[in-house]
Amino acid sequence: AQSVAQPEDQVNVAEGNPLTVKCTYSVSGNPYLFWYVQYPNRGLQFLLKYITGDNLVKGSYGFEAEFNKSQTSFHLKKPSALVSDSALYFCAVRGPLSGGYNKLIFGAGTRLAVHP
Amino acid sequence: NAGVTQTPKFQVLKTGQSMTLQCAQDMNHNSMYWYRQDPGMGLRLIYYSASEGTTDKGEVPNGYNVSRLNKREFSLRLESAAPSQTSVYFCASMGFSNYGYTFGSGTRLTVV
Repeated sequence: AQSVAQPEDQVNVAEGNPLTVKCTYSVSGNPYLFWYVQYPNRGLQFLLKYITGDNLVKGSYGFEAEFNKSQTSFHLKKPSALVSDSALYFCAVRGPLSGGYNKLIFGAGTRLAVHP
Repeated sequence: NAGVTQTPKFQVLKTGQSMTLQCAQDMNHNSMYWYRQDPGMGLRLIYYSASEGTTDKGEVPNGYNVSRLNKREFSLRLESAAPSQTSVYFCASMGFSNYGYTFGSGTRLTVV
């Protein structure tokens, strides 16, 4: 069965420092991996995805994520955090395409707090 | 702007009342989904629809029903609301060649 784990409920970072939000996954076959961000009282917005190819994926707002197949991880990173990055971040996984559609399985979310 | 539209944005119900949450997408996506979001539990799938005329249960379907009215619209119905259904509900859609979801802005539901 597919699953996603986000081991940290909250990550605290000082503005200007690098940030990492962790995600590990379990899926049969090659995974499709996603990061979404949710700002207060808003819906989820797509940040980036890994389907195939380069293990380092670049996304919106300066975020990137590194796919590591041996560690089954897909950690979200940013070289220099901004206060405006403070939000709830969700990692999600989808298995190989089946029957023309599929479902995303989400982690519990990690709250990122960036302090001035 | 193209996307997923949910109505209403907020709703307060009394225990036992019924209501329908509406969702529509204008991206010609095949599959649509309803999730609920609760603190510390992430997003849990309630129901989904692979295509017009088909629906399937997700992780937490009890107490809910859905209708895929056409390719654009996918509604979620609470027949007899309970306080445990207090949550934020998100609708999402995904196209055949797309790999991820587009989400609506959510419905915050409180059952008292």
